[in-house]
Amino acid sequence: GENVEQHPSTLSVQEGDSAVIKCTYSDSASNYFPWYKQELGKRPQLIIDIRSNVGEKKDQRIAVTLNKTAKHFSLHITETQPEDSAVYFCAASTSSGNEKLTFGTGTRLTIIP
Amino acid sequence: ETGVTQSPTHLIKTRGQQVTLRCSSQSGHNTVSWYQQALGQGPQFIFQYYREEENGRGNFPPRFSGLQFPNYSSELNVNALELDDSALYLCASSLGGGLTSEQFFGPGTRLTVL
Repeated sequence: GENVEQHPSTLSVQEGDSAVIKCTYSDSASNYFPWYKQELGKRPQLIIDIRSNVGEKKDQRIAVTLNKTAKHFSLHITETQPEDSAVYFCAASTSSGNEKLTFGTGTRLTIIP
Repeated sequence: ETGVTQSPTHLIKTRGQQVTLRCSSQSGHNTVSWYQQALGQGPQFIFQYYREEENGRGNFPPRFSGLQFPNYSSELNVNALELDDSALYLCASSLGGGLTSEQFFGPGTRLTVL
């Protein structure tokens, strides 16, 4: 089955700087890659996603890149703000029958004011 | 449009007991997936229901079971509770149909097994 690895597990960034979180996946059939933000005690919130027919997608300060050949995708947050502090999860899914999401282990991002 | 809701928010049970968790999907969504999130970990897929039928299952024993109702709401049942079942249980709804559509999560039910 699919295996998703995520790095780093913790990341501290000065406010205003950029943050990058990286994930690799094992199943070449995976074609959908969402990123979720989870604040303490809250539900995971979808912040951006990318499909395998696209190499990059951007939404304001957040961007995701996908390299299908290398089987890795990354989340980029620019001009970080204190409210960006949270745990971020990457995930991968295929369209083969169901939409099971396989999650990475999470990255705790702390923005230092 | 209403979001995904879950009940109860918290639950405390003892080993060997049984529990039922409930999830109402987002308006217009016909697919519900259940995930278990242990403390400090990413969510783990339990199973998914699409139009009232189980549509895929993760590596969870048969004592984890579920169902989906005609209005697409869903239940997760866990029998013979074990200490390791203590976790946040999340449901997520989506449009389904193999479109690999976005999954939107409910607030979760935190289950503590003593």
